[in-house]
Amino acid sequence: RKEVEQDPGPFNVPEGATVAFNCTYSNSASQSFFWYRQDCRKEPKLLMSVYSSGNEDGRFTAQLNRASQYISLLIRDSKLSDSATYLCAVPRTYGGATNKLIFGTGTLLAVQP
Amino acid sequence: NAGVTQTPKFRVLKTGQSMTLLCAQDMNHEYMYWYRQDPGMGLRLIHYSVGEGTTAKGEVPDGYNVSRLKKQNFLLGLESAAPSQTSVYFCASSYYLKQGATDTQYFGPGTRLTVL
Repeated sequence: RKEVEQDPGPFNVPEGATVAFNCTYSNSASQSFFWYRQDCRKEPKLLMSVYSSGNEDGRFTAQLNRASQYISLLIRDSKLSDSATYLCAVPRTYGGATNKLIFGTGTLLAVQP
Repeated sequence: NAGVTQTPKFRVLKTGQSMTLLCAQDMNHEYMYWYRQDPGMGLRLIHYSVGEGTTAKGEVPDGYNVSRLKKQNFLLGLESAAPSQTSVYFCASSYYLKQGATDTQYFGPGTRLTVL
């Protein structure tokens, strides 16, 4: 299994739809997880952090399933401005240090008018 | 508060030329990172630093060198550029957290490098 794996998409959804992405990870010891948003030709920007079972911020909900080793991102009432690539990131542990993140290749979301 | 800045934004090199990419952060972060991003490959860690004067190799360090002489700056050098180094390069920084914890990384705007 890859360390971090995402469905590349694209996910094409109409405005107002609810869409969910999954991200699977292989390191069962991971304690924190991150969702980043990356617009075309821009840098990744933090969308949400997940440190326990989940996190919610407005229309965005991130959930963690430790048993199955995946995190999900749910976007409700999709807006055109949500169109972007969504990257998940999981810490990599080297000798006890977990300051490095492994990024998935991203899931492309295209919200259609 | 500018966050993380990178210079230059764009650069075209010929094979064999050298160059240095500069990353600067004003958030007093201990950790700094250099990534490259290629289509279908995601972000891959080149080198990183856990503090001033320290550097370490990431996943894809070959062909690159780094230096962190000041806490706020992290330099990435290409001594002899190759077409395979054509990519988008991102710098990032983060705080140090206690052992076992990981903090969010903040990214610069990127440098688009083409090697002919």
